Amino acid sequence: DQQVKQNSPSLSVQEGRISILNCDYTNSMFDYFLWYKKYPAEGPTFLISISSIKDKNEDGRFTVFLNKSAKHLSLHIVPSQPGDSAVYFCAARLSGTYKYIFGTGTRLKVLA
Amino acid sequence: DTGVSQNPRHKITKRGQNVTFRCDPISEHNRLYWYRQTLGQGPEFLTYFQNEAQLEKSRLLSDRFSAERPKGSFSTLEIQRTEQGDSAMYLCASSLLTTGTSNTFGSGTRLTVV
Repeated sequence: DQQVKQNSPSLSVQEGRISILNCDYTNSMFDYFLWYKKYPAEGPTFLISISSIKDKNEDGRFTVFLNKSAKHLSLHIVPSQPGDSAVYFCAARLSGTYKYIFGTGTRLKVLA
Repeated sequence: DTGVSQNPRHKITKRGQNVTFRCDPISEHNRLYWYRQTLGQGPEFLTYFQNEAQLEKSRLLSDRFSAERPKGSFSTLEIQRTEQGDSAMYLCASSLLTTGTSNTFGSGTRLTVV
């Protein structure tokens, strides 16, 4: 049972445009959400996070939006750069635990 | 480089053999996680240490898997009697208790069971 879902396996965006990566979850007991970026042959790198008590968090070109009623979060990258091409994972922490559940990832390709 | 270090990078073993992986977290990081990642999937939580105490363990971790962090620094993950289904990338991550949830991942150990 996939509790964290990334339904788009891949996404292509032109350089300079906005990239929007989506993530849906089913468990209302998640209290923290994170986005990671992963390059080939490397471990995931933390990008940005958001607590379940907030609906938006911004860090430079990266903004994460959380819609609790829809159980949906999204990562916006503006403007997109070729170096952003990677696999992006969303992850959620189960409240009261140390357990993080990851989605299956979305491969972003930013075209120059 | 003061990142999370994992050794070996690659391991090929015959089915039924035991394997052990090592993770050296960032110095002073008291949180340490092990994850497993298979092709096309995200990292899957295996276990969590806070200092030397193993505080959480996935139900997915069968009796053949054991992890230790004896002095609260490096950690080892052992798989006994390996099976082909154990073939995966094994990732280690660490963080400080005070920095919340942003873990730093190592590059992983890729295990192939033949």
